[in-house]
Amino acid sequence: EPEVTQTPSHQVTQMGQEVILRCVPISNHLYFYWYRQILGQKVEFLVSFYNNEISEKSEIFDDQFSVERPDGSNFTLKIRSTKLEDSAMYFCASSEAGNLGYGYTFGSGTRLTVV
Amino acid sequence: AQTVTQSQPEMSVQEAETVTLSCTYDTSENNYYLFWYKQPPSRQMILVIRQEAYKQQNATENRFSVNFQKAAKSFSLKISDSQLGDTAMYFCALLNSGYSTLTFGKGTMLLVSP
Repeated sequence: EPEVTQTPSHQVTQMGQEVILRCVPISNHLYFYWYRQILGQKVEFLVSFYNNEISEKSEIFDDQFSVERPDGSNFTLKIRSTKLEDSAMYFCASSEAGNLGYGYTFGSGTRLTVV
Repeated sequence: AQTVTQSQPEMSVQEAETVTLSCTYDTSENNYYLFWYKQPPSRQMILVIRQEAYKQQNATENRFSVNFQKAAKSFSLKISDSQLGDTAMYFCALLNSGYSTLTFGKGTMLLVSP
C-alpha cells in the first residue's frame, strides 16, 4: 500500500536554529498538508498546498514557517528560527485531488525537540 | 468555525469485548465527512473509518462500525471483539466538503487489556 514518508523521524535542534522537515507524499496525490501535535494535545492544521502554492493556512503558520515542493517528489516544511514551543510531532499528509472526502494518508511523523 | 468534541479522555476494555467511543461535532455546512483515526504508540495516524454526511447508512469496516446521528451531530465508533492491537489514541475528525482542513477532537486513549 502506498505510503507517505517523512524524514527524519526525530530531530533535536537548538532554539533559534532553522530546521527542515521532509516528506515524500504518495506519487499520484496532488494535495499536501502539514499538521502538528504538541505532546498531549490535539492535532492541529498548519497548511495545505496545491498546484505549487499554499491553498489554506492556519494562524499557527506565521512568517516563521514556509513550505516548498522543490522537486517532483519532496514536500518540505521549514521553520526559520525555532522556539521551545515548536517542539511537537509534525505530520505530513497527502490526498488525491477531487477525493478529499476519502481522507488523508498521513506519514509517521517527525518528532521535533527544540532545546 | 467547526468543532469536534470527544468527551472521554480514556477508556478501558477487556480483550474480545465491545467498546464505544463518543464524538460530537458542530458545523454549519451541510456536506461534510467524518473520520476516525487511530494513533498507536508508534504515533502514526491511521485512518480507521469514514462516513459521508449525505449517506444515512452507517459505515462499517470489519470490527469497526459507526453510529452516525446527523440531527444530533453525533458520530460514535464501536469496536467489536477488541484486540490488544487496538490499544491506541483514537481521534474523531471532521472535513467540510470543498475545504481541505481536517478538524480533530482531543482524542480518546483506549486501553485493551488481556
